[in-house]
Amino acid sequence: EAGVAQSPRYKIIEKRQSVAFWCNPISGHATLYWYQQILGQGPKLLIQFQNNGVVDDSQLPKDRFSAERLKGVDSTLKIQPAKLEDSAVYLCASSAQRIGEFGVTGELFFGEGSRLTVL
Amino acid sequence: AQKITQTQPGMFVQEKEAVTLDCTYDTSDPSYGLFWYKQPSSGEMIFLIYQGSYDQQNATEGRYSLNFQKARKSANLVISASQLGDSAMYFCAMREGSAGNTGKLIFGQGTTLQVKP
Repeated sequence: EAGVAQSPRYKIIEKRQSVAFWCNPISGHATLYWYQQILGQGPKLLIQFQNNGVVDDSQLPKDRFSAERLKGVDSTLKIQPAKLEDSAVYLCASSAQRIGEFGVTGELFFGEGSRLTVL
Repeated sequence: AQKITQTQPGMFVQEKEAVTLDCTYDTSDPSYGLFWYKQPSSGEMIFLIYQGSYDQQNATEGRYSLNFQKARKSANLVISASQLGDSAMYFCAMREGSAGNTGKLIFGQGTTLQVKP
């Protein structure tokens, strides 16, 4: 079974430029997450989708970040304009479970992440 | 609000010895799950082990075991017989299980483990 695919793996941009990251979850996984991991810290949830609907985007800086999952499969996370503090690894994760099915079990499957450096 | 704390930024262990990575958590939800993930330098988060709040026994998965002390709200990861390939960052995470939960995981700050030959 193929894992979570992310691209690009690395991206360097200057501040105020824009960038987009792509994620393809494990086939059949209804729930998709984008996490931001700043160097030396644990991942922080930015946005969660179930199919193509947003479940939780309370931590997403909506003035500059946007994300979509139009067909309920792959997803794109965009940053525009980027700031220096956006330098981080952006991790995509997916889960087969749906809202209400989670209980407390069921791990998230992560991709290798997209490392962003903003100069 | 739920919170995960890992107080050890870095740890060293000699190859073939056991090591314990600390994790404490805070939640008011009686139903929750605790997870440990490993993040090697490649960046991918690898699931290691899971413990449910109602589980009677400590979880074990191969060389990994979870020392779950519910009253102390701690969920320490024990790695036995450390190998060089265990060198990585380790994260403790929690999911609350109350009705309406979205399934998201909240992560601690992580502990970097280095295994010495």
